[in-house]
Amino acid sequence: EIVMTQTPLSLAVTPGQPASISCKSSQSLLHSDGKTYLYWYLQKTGQPPQLLIYELSKRFSGVPDRFSGSGSGTDFTLTISRVEAEDVGVYYCMQSLESLTFGGGTKVDIK
Amino acid sequence: QITLKESGPTLVKPTQTLTLTCSFSGFALTTSGVGVGWIRLPPGKALEFLAMSYWNGDNRYSPSLRSRLTITKDTSKNQVVLTMTNMDPVDTATYYCAHRVVIWGWVGYFDSWGQGTLVTVSS
Repeated sequence: EIVMTQTPLSLAVTPGQPASISCKSSQSLLHSDGKTYLYWYLQKTGQPPQLLIYELSKRFSGVPDRFSGSGSGTDFTLTISRVEAEDVGVYYCMQSLESLTFGGGTKVDIK
Repeated sequence: QITLKESGPTLVKPTQTLTLTCSFSGFALTTSGVGVGWIRLPPGKALEFLAMSYWNGDNRYSPSLRSRLTITKDTSKNQVVLTMTNMDPVDTATYYCAHRVVIWGWVGYFDSWGQGTLVTVSS
């Protein structure tokens, strides 16, 4: 099973400032087709998860461009360029190369 | 517009079997590249994938829970049913169903989710 490890566990950010979340996989998520099957979800309190990023760096429909995904192989980063109050919640990375596994989550709060 | 809704018992006893139904609209589980999956969120823990049903009849399961799970679909009713046997208090969680865009094999993503249903396992 591919294990996904997220850091930090929690993060408090001043509105307007950037934030980054790290996700590491126990094996490379790069497929021979050249794509990296890494996804990012945000779960706001009382809501189901919502897809932010798919295939490493593609923003899902309607996702603001302040969200970006990057990385390669086994190391990945979700970056919020300027955090807004509506961005609070728990962020999860997920891989779908072999079965589906989620990271442990990173809680983002506003200072 | 895609919508999904989970239904089932809110309380089950240890060793019992849980049956959850996902009723959906806005898509057909006969359309190529479409799937429906189940994911759960235990209190204070992380999301965990459980099972998926694909348009072509393929079913996929979490390797660690495979022996306890069965997923079936009824395309005429637009429903997907998940059964989980031998329930334990550690299975207490909010259970979500979600629409999956299937690229190939395991690859794809969940783009629409139900609101979830909380299932508590307690005697």
